[in-house]
Amino acid sequence: QSVLTQPPSVSGAPGQRVTISCTGSSSNIGAGHHVHWYQQFPGTAPKILIDGYNGRPSGVPERFSGSKSGTSASLAITGLQAEDEAVYYCQSYDSSLSGSWVFGGGTKLTVL
Amino acid sequence: QVQLLESGGGLVKPGGSLRLSCAATGFSFSDYYMNWIRQVPGKGLEWVSYISGGSTSIYYADSVKGRFTVSRDNAKNSLYLHMNSLRAEDTAVYYCARKYNFWSGLDSWGQGILVTVSS
Repeated sequence: QSVLTQPPSVSGAPGQRVTISCTGSSSNIGAGHHVHWYQQFPGTAPKILIDGYNGRPSGVPERFSGSKSGTSASLAITGLQAEDEAVYYCQSYDSSLSGSWVFGGGTKLTVL
Repeated sequence: QVQLLESGGGLVKPGGSLRLSCAATGFSFSDYYMNWIRQVPGKGLEWVSYISGGSTSIYYADSVKGRFTVSRDNAKNSLYLHMNSLRAEDTAVYYCARKYNFWSGLDSWGQGILVTVSS
């Protein structure tokens, strides 16, 4: 059971907009801690998509954006492309534990 | 360019020990906070440990506290994870990853190294 909750899967057709939610609590996202998003393809290491502290890293398309409200965060992908099919993870810091970073369980994005 | 390369993984029996290494090139290693993250094949990511640039601040996940020790040698641009009392549930791909400060994301990752704990 992950501290941050993500839907197991989302899907969308090419060109559409999809969002992936990340629900936390008052000790992580709700405490104002930054939320970071990663993209992972099968057999490869995760890659940062959105740095909640530094913004979108260079090289990441503007189609990817992050937002946060209350105890939740979202990753939005516009103009969906076939190559966006991957697993996406959110991450934040949790101040209820003895210094701990936490990940969501991951969301598999399928491009129809 | 930035490169992180893990080594030292393999098969170890339950209760055994292993030391992972992560060699860093292409950036000023001592300026970065380093982390270990693991992933059971087919499952999600789990943060394992964090060490600040000067090794003055170290954190561990509860699941490894007391069994794993993180360290770094800035002169050798290397990060280490000493793993003792290994359990079957420690079986995973272990990644090293860097972050620029305490609050930033993990902006570069190694390719990962598989650790298998089995008799």
